[in-house]
Amino acid sequence: DTAVSQTPKYLVTQMGNDKSIKCEQNLGHDTMYWYKQDSKKFLKIMFSYNNKELIINETVPNRFSPKSPDKAHLNLHINSLELGDSAVYFCASSQDPPRQKEETQYFGPGTRLLVL
Amino acid sequence: RKEVEQDPGPFNVPEGATVAFNCTYSNSASQSFFWYRQDCRKEPKLLMSVYSSGNEDGRFTAQLNRASQYISLLIRDSKLSDSATYLCVVNQGGKLIFGQGTELSVKP
Repeated sequence: DTAVSQTPKYLVTQMGNDKSIKCEQNLGHDTMYWYKQDSKKFLKIMFSYNNKELIINETVPNRFSPKSPDKAHLNLHINSLELGDSAVYFCASSQDPPRQKEETQYFGPGTRLLVL
Repeated sequence: RKEVEQDPGPFNVPEGATVAFNCTYSNSASQSFFWYRQDCRKEPKLLMSVYSSGNEDGRFTAQLNRASQYISLLIRDSKLSDSATYLCVVNQGGKLIFGQGTELSVKP
């Protein structure tokens, strides 16, 4: 009965490859997010979707493309992977759109990406 | 200047100690405030929201000073299980901005 799940948990790949990370939430939430946590532990938002519509798009290289087939799923595709993409990627979800003051975000377990 | 700044860690304290974490934020228009906890190699989890009037949840007390743009978290009677990284989080225009986190290690 995992609330927010991500696959794969670990991903080791070569520079230049294309890879995808999948996220699913069974909480019935309307809003989903992708975050990146780098080696210095800073957690930064990348994208947010509300009911399959993109509402937050931070300054992220266009090699990163999120896709939301339905409101329970938010996948992240990364083209032409670079060394600097190595990080932990967290998916999250919340009931309300981000502008609601007290919304709580629930995080997935993370995907540890290592680009060689 | 970072948008959310926290005390550098790590904090190493004995069981039973009281420990305080501080956090400052740069955007005075920030709307809401939280403390999240992140265990080693795990995802962040909400610990508590922070209100201007101050709020308490068991051994944990959070305070917010909007005038000083300052947030604090006090943990009383530390337990071994409190060992984790504590993240100060600010909602700015609908985006959660995370501090770097302060690592706490509670020793027997």
